[in-house]
Amino acid sequence: EVQLVESGGGLVQSGGSLKLSCAASGFTFSGSAMHWVRQASGKGLEWVGRISSKPNNYATDYAASVKGRFTISRDDSKNTAYLQMNSLKTEDTAVYYCTREGLTDFDYWGQGTLVTVSS
Amino acid sequence: NFMLTQPHSVSESPGKTVTISCTRSSGSIASNYVQWYQQRPGSSPTTVIYEDYRRPSGVPDRFSGSIDSSSNSASLTISGLKTEDEADYYCQSYDSTNRVFGGGTQLTVL
Repeated sequence: EVQLVESGGGLVQSGGSLKLSCAASGFTFSGSAMHWVRQASGKGLEWVGRISSKPNNYATDYAASVKGRFTISRDDSKNTAYLQMNSLKTEDTAVYYCTREGLTDFDYWGQGTLVTVSS
Repeated sequence: NFMLTQPHSVSESPGKTVTISCTRSSGSIASNYVQWYQQRPGSSPTTVIYEDYRRPSGVPDRFSGSIDSSSNSASLTISGLKTEDEADYYCQSYDSTNRVFGGGTQLTVL
């Protein structure tokens, strides 16, 4: 069974940093691209970014709203993907989901972790 | 970048059929696949349609997807509505490096 478990969310001040983790199990993590998607309370889904697998050189893409502030990485030996968030803004407050790319870009989703950025 | 526009909400009675539209602002709707995700309250999204019209295993055939190049839009149709279908539905597509979600449609089954 595919499982994705996000962690690392919490309360941080504007301008601060936070690093989220996504622990994966139930599939060959090293062969899968991974995405991060966020959702502000009562709002829609927003794609954050993607990291490809090793055969594609761990290439990354980011939404314009986070480019230059957020960095996605992965450790295939730990079956874990990461989202490093710097220079956080109040508008980054959201539940952050990690997803596996399979049949679709967002094939399986984790339960999400809440990030709150205070002013 | 393009946008995907969905109606904010739709409602219909149990047993009826509802269609949710998703209009692409620029570029052809047919140039990149469209997916549809269902998000029930308090839950993470799940895929109900991928590659315009395909259904993942486990998704009932009451759910169907299509695209219409003349209106540059995609549609999700749910027939034989059940109360369990009440949820938010998001369309999604992509271009070379970006993934784009529609704003979501709240489906009420009353």
